[in-house]
Amino acid sequence: AQSVTQLGSHVSVSEGALVLLRCNYSSSVPPYLFWYVQYPNQGLQLLLKYTSAATLVKGINGFEAEFKKSETSFHLTKPSAHMSDAAEYFCAVSAYSGGGADGLTFGKGTHLIIQP
Amino acid sequence: GAVVSQHPSRVICKSGTSVKIECRSLDFQATTMFWYRQFPKQSLMLMATSNEGSKATYEQGVEKDKFLINHASLTLSTLTVTSAHPEDSSFYICSASDPGLSRGEQYFGPGTRLTVT
Repeated sequence: AQSVTQLGSHVSVSEGALVLLRCNYSSSVPPYLFWYVQYPNQGLQLLLKYTSAATLVKGINGFEAEFKKSETSFHLTKPSAHMSDAAEYFCAVSAYSGGGADGLTFGKGTHLIIQP
Repeated sequence: GAVVSQHPSRVICKSGTSVKIECRSLDFQATTMFWYRQFPKQSLMLMATSNEGSKATYEQGVEKDKFLINHASLTLSTLTVTSAHPEDSSFYICSASDPGLSRGEQYFGPGTRLTVT
């Protein structure tokens, strides 16, 4: 079984400051990891994904994440926060090794607040 | 990019009635579709996985007789909540995958908010 832990249900940063959203995972097989963003009353938009290639992954809107196997982490960062980044962020893991498509296990989410 | 639509976006129904939610892949063939449930201010929980032309696989704790899933074509999956009760009120999100995507990667629909009165 797999699980995802997102530390901090709410994170508040000033506009222009560094954004750091934490994600730790648990998996018995090599994981594929994802970060999604959700705006109010909308579905999920993929920010970036780790699929066993490069450990530093760059995504959309200036976000990036680094896969650290030794720390079982996949933290999301952005050098400079923008007001439009305010949203809910979900970390998710796919850890199914049986082939075929695989549903995701999500963390509880982190609400990112941007202070002007 | 690939688009997944859901209909309706919002639905209100009375307790004891059934409601059907549609999930469509608009510009690709979805060999697999997933249904998730999201309670207010909480995470998404996978309910079931459906492959076109076969029975859905439900996650532990999800009542298959209550949440009927049909994936009759490569572009359409439906979720029917039967004999709905207020505790079924939630945000239901579908997603779709095709063979060209990485394991676990999927396109999400905009969600359907169900309110049972």
